Amino acid sequence: ETGVTQTPRHLVMGMTNKKSLKCEQHLGHNAMYWYKQSAKKPLELMFVYNFKEQTENNSVPSRFSPECPNSSHLFLHLHTLQPEDSALYLCASSQDLGSGANVLTFGAGSRLTVL
Amino acid sequence: GQNIDQPTEMTATEGAIVQINCTYQTSGFNGLFWYQQHAGEAPTFLSYNVLDGLEEKGRFSSFLSRSKGYSYLLLKELQMKDSASYLCAVMDSNYQLIWGAGTKLIIKP
Repeated sequence: ETGVTQTPRHLVMGMTNKKSLKCEQHLGHNAMYWYKQSAKKPLELMFVYNFKEQTENNSVPSRFSPECPNSSHLFLHLHTLQPEDSALYLCASSQDLGSGANVLTFGAGSRLTVL
Repeated sequence: GQNIDQPTEMTATEGAIVQINCTYQTSGFNGLFWYQQHAGEAPTFLSYNVLDGLEEKGRFSSFLSRSKGYSYLLLKELQMKDSASYLCAVMDSNYQLIWGAGTKLIIKP
């Protein structure tokens, strides 16, 4: 399968649960990203990894914990979330960082609902 | 601060032309992107402008004026499948992407 694949597509969890979101890309890209998308708001960058190393953490609360075991896989571990964390979580990849024409390829997202 | 402005929602008729505007104030400029996002799907890349002028790709065109901090996406011969959100994003001097909140385009028959 080509492109960026995210699982699960939908997740409902209580505030005390622990769950993980998974992202996989088969494009040979070196950079991977987690974004949060809330209704009528701009995309919020959460984390960036380049060659498996975290290069950006945009003041994200510690209840979100990323993991990048290799250049093709990215996880977002979730624990003790709040209802305001309910949103669409998008994974993306790009060939590199730090170039102008840096086109992102997105996954379809994981729709998270926190009860 | 850095800011991208685009209309929240627009409505147009099938077969017609629509222009979606985007204005920006950013720390530096390394290019402007347009992405299309259908409901429940991944955003997909439409265009990239770094120099002033019009870039045409089939029914879609994107225009940039760096001096005015302004871009537009022009969609011609609208089809029902063009109903989607259109996201404008600017890459700043640190190669960080600054995103607009998106424009939801509704196409009516």
